[in-house]
Amino acid sequence: AQKVTQAQTEISVVEKEDVTLDCVYETRDTTYYLFWYKQPPSGELVFLIRRNSFDEQNEISGRYSWNFQKSTSSFNFTITASQVVDSAVYFCACDNFNKFYFGSGTKLNVKP
Amino acid sequence: ETGVTQSPTHLIKTRGQQVTLRCSSQSGHNTVSWYQQALGQGPQFIFQYYREEENGRGNFPPRFSGLQFPNYSSELNVNALELDDSALYLCASSLPGQGIGYTFGSGTRLTVV
Repeated sequence: AQKVTQAQTEISVVEKEDVTLDCVYETRDTTYYLFWYKQPPSGELVFLIRRNSFDEQNEISGRYSWNFQKSTSSFNFTITASQVVDSAVYFCACDNFNKFYFGSGTKLNVKP
Repeated sequence: ETGVTQSPTHLIKTRGQQVTLRCSSQSGHNTVSWYQQALGQGPQFIFQYYREEENGRGNFPPRFSGLQFPNYSSELNVNALELDDSALYLCASSLPGQGIGYTFGSGTRLTVV
C-alpha cells in the first residue's frame, strides 16, 4: 500500500524567502506518479506539479522547483521568493492508477 | 465547460440520516473519484467510477456508495450518518489513464450533528 508522509505540519516564512516542503513516500509499485497540490481556504485542490517514477530529472517552473530522489523516496517542493498569495495547505500525493494517496499536508504561512 | 462543480457547498445533517452529494465532472472526463477530507487531514480515497462502474474503493464501509451517470455527473450517497462522517467531500474528475492528474471541485462541507 502507498503511504505519503509530510513531516512539516506548519511553516511560516517572510515574503521573498525561499521555502522547501518535504515529502517522503512509500510504495511497492515500480510505476507511480507523484504530485503536489495546493489547497487555498476555498477548499479546491489546485494541481501544481507531476513527476513519474521513471523521470528523476529535477525541474524548475517559474518560482516552483522540485527535487525527486528515488533512492530516498523523497519528492520535495521548493517555492522561490515566496509571496503572500502562496499561503495555503500543500499536499504531496502518490498516484497508483488514479487512486491518490495524500499526505497530511503542510500549512504554509507567508507573512508580508 | 471547464472545472468540476459540486453541490451543495455546505450541508448539515442529523446522525442516522442519509445524504446525497452531487458532482458535475469536467467536460470529457469519464473518470470520477470521491475523497473525504477530515479537518486538518489529507484527503482519503473513497472510490472511483469509470464509465458508470465502480473500479476502485478505499477503506470505507458499504454505507458509502456512489453512482456515475452517462453525462459523467456523479453522486456520493452516505447512509446512516455518523458524527465522524463530518468532513469536506471532494469530487475529482480526469481522463482515463495513470498519472493524468485530477481536476478537483471545491467540495461539499458536511456537518453531522
